[in-house]
Amino acid sequence: ELKVEQNPLFLSMQEGKNYTIYCNYSTTSDRLYWYRQDPGKSLESLFVLLSNGAVKQEGRLMASLDTKARLSTLHITAAVHDLSATYFCAVDRYASGNTPLVFGKGTRLSVIA
Amino acid sequence: GAVVSQHPSWVICKSGTSVKIECRSLDFQATTMFWYRQFPKQSLMLMATSNEGSKATYEQGVEKDKFLINHASLTLSTLTVTSAHPEDSSFYICSARPPLATPYNEQFFGPGTRLTVL
Repeated sequence: ELKVEQNPLFLSMQEGKNYTIYCNYSTTSDRLYWYRQDPGKSLESLFVLLSNGAVKQEGRLMASLDTKARLSTLHITAAVHDLSATYFCAVDRYASGNTPLVFGKGTRLSVIA
Repeated sequence: GAVVSQHPSWVICKSGTSVKIECRSLDFQATTMFWYRQFPKQSLMLMATSNEGSKATYEQGVEKDKFLINHASLTLSTLTVTSAHPEDSSFYICSARPPLATPYNEQFFGPGTRLTVL
């Protein structure tokens, strides 16, 4: 069974601090997705990582993918309150075709002053 | 990017009634759409894969007679929750991928439908 594990599940950060969210997965997929979800809202796509060694950055968020370790990280730099949300990583369920996603449990991030 | 819409965005119904949720791909055709369910403070779980012109594929533990899926056109899939009960209260999200290959092979999510069954 394909598993996607995130940690931590809960994260309370002070503004200005840095932190990393980890996503481990059990498939051999070389593609990984990060999403943000605000309360009561649907998913907002943050990053699509396509291959081993991929690194993408957008503002204070940077995501990386190590397919050999089956690990992706989402690094938060100098957190601000607006980053408070739940972050999900996900992988393709199947290696090819129009495949659904398998999600991690999510990391609920709270940035406090 | 591609747009997926859902209607309604929220619905409240009485126990025992049926509720229909629509998922539309607005600017592309989707032969396959996915329906996910999210309970409060939990992750998204795939319920079923909706296939245009054929029967939906349901995940283990999802009752096909309770959650009726119809994918009658290339831009519309509907999920009908029949004889809804309070335990069906959840956030239902659909998604689809544009058919043309793109580097990102990205899936686009609808805004979700919050169902509350009293």
